[in-house]
Amino acid sequence: AQKITQTQPGMFVQEKEAVTLDCTYDTSDPSYGLFWYKQPSSGEMIFLIYQGSYDQQNATEGRYSLNFQKARKSANLVISASQLGDSAMYFCAMREPSYGQNFVFGPGTRLSVLP
Amino acid sequence: NAGVTQTPKFQVLKTGQSMTLQCAQDMNHEYMSWYRQDPGMGLRLIHYSVGAGITDQGEVPNGYNVSRSTTEDFPLRLLSAAPSQTSVYFCASSRQGPKETQYFGPGTRLLVL
Repeated sequence: AQKITQTQPGMFVQEKEAVTLDCTYDTSDPSYGLFWYKQPSSGEMIFLIYQGSYDQQNATEGRYSLNFQKARKSANLVISASQLGDSAMYFCAMREPSYGQNFVFGPGTRLSVLP
Repeated sequence: NAGVTQTPKFQVLKTGQSMTLQCAQDMNHEYMSWYRQDPGMGLRLIHYSVGAGITDQGEVPNGYNVSRSTTEDFPLRLLSAAPSQTSVYFCASSRQGPKETQYFGPGTRLLVL
């Protein structure tokens, strides 16, 4: 069974608008970490934001925020005020002790920002 | 501070050839890993290491070997390349613990003919 699900293969958003990228996960560990990475067309993997399973508040990093709903096992990435440079692949990932502290990645969502 | 470095950036192999993808990090991270990235499949874990002398298999280990003789280096060996190993390979490192993020190298694009 997939541990990380990203149901949106591709998304379009108008420049300066907000967009939400969906991520659901599956784990039985009480302690785990959730991560979002950005991969632009140049290919590098860029860390964006982290949410811990015990964190009471949703994580925020500049224009990125994470809508963490623990009971629903979802960790959606919200990008506010989209910019053309936000066009990229976005990967949701989880790190959990029962998987040897390894990361498992979702299939990704390709975001295209329209001018 | 170079972070995670990988060489080469691009490689073409013929079926049956062997090669080593190099990975090094200068952040004194205990955990290092190798992934392959194929279209539509995200990143899949090949092998990982939690410290010098300790390695283990990930999700897709067949056809690959690793070793970790030092904290800094974690080479990935393709024993006998096959076209199915055409992919982009990423090395990553991190501290141990569920809160620690991984830092990725720039990737190696491998084409096996």
